[in-house]
Amino acid sequence: SSELTQDPAVSVALGQTVRITCQGDSLRDYYASWYQQKPGQAPVLVIYGKNYRPSGIPDRFSASSSGNTASLTITGARAEDEADYYCNSRDSSDNHVFGTGTKVTVL
Amino acid sequence: QVQLQESGPGLVKPSQTLSLTCTVSGGSISSASYYWSWIRQPAGKGLEWIGRIYSSGSTNYNPSLKSRVTISIDTTEKQFSLKLNSVTAADTAVYYCAREMGYGSGPFDDWGQGTLVTVPS
Repeated sequence: SSELTQDPAVSVALGQTVRITCQGDSLRDYYASWYQQKPGQAPVLVIYGKNYRPSGIPDRFSASSSGNTASLTITGARAEDEADYYCNSRDSSDNHVFGTGTKVTVL
Repeated sequence: QVQLQESGPGLVKPSQTLSLTCTVSGGSISSASYYWSWIRQPAGKGLEWIGRIYSSGSTNYNPSLKSRVTISIDTTEKQFSLKLNSVTAADTAVYYCAREMGYGSGPFDDWGQGTLVTVPS
C-alpha cells in the first residue's frame, strides 16, 4: 500500500516561516490535503487541491508540490498554529492514505 | 458546513464486533458530490483511513482492514455506519466519521468530534 512520510517534528520561532513536507508516490498523481490537529480535537482541513484554503483558514497557510513531495508552509507562525499536521491523498487504488504526522512547535 | 456525530459503545470486548453510527445534519447525505468515510486514531498515533461509502452504497476499504470492515448507509435516517469484527486491543482508538469531497484528492472537509472505543486486552 501507499505511504506518506513526514518529518516527526519541526519548530519555528514566533512570526517566522516553517515548511512541512510530505513524501510519497501517490503525490505524483494527486495533490495532498493538509490537516491541523490540536490535542483532544478532531483534525481540521487547512489546505486542499493545488493551494485552496477552506473558509476561515488564514492565508498564512499555503501549499506547494513537486514530484513526489508536497509542502505546507506557514508564513508568520502564530502561537495558535502549534499543533500536529497531517498530509493525506488518494492512491492509485482510490484508497486514502495519511502521512505520519508532523508536530509543529512555535517557540 | 454539515455536522457529523458519532455514536456507539465505548467499550467492546475482544473478538466481538465494534459498531458505530454517524449522523449527518445540516446537509444532504445523498449529495452526489461527497463520500462518507470512517477514520481512526490510536492514542498518541497517526490517522488511519478505514473506508468510505457513497450514497449509492458503493464502498472502498483500507486493504489492511478490508476482511473485517463493513460500512453501510441509511439515507432516510441520514446515517452511515461502521462494523469492525473480531476486534483486538489494537483496534482501540478514537473513531471519526468525516465527509469527503468527491473529486481530486478527496479532502475530508468536515469531521465529527470523534468517539473513543476501547477494546481491553
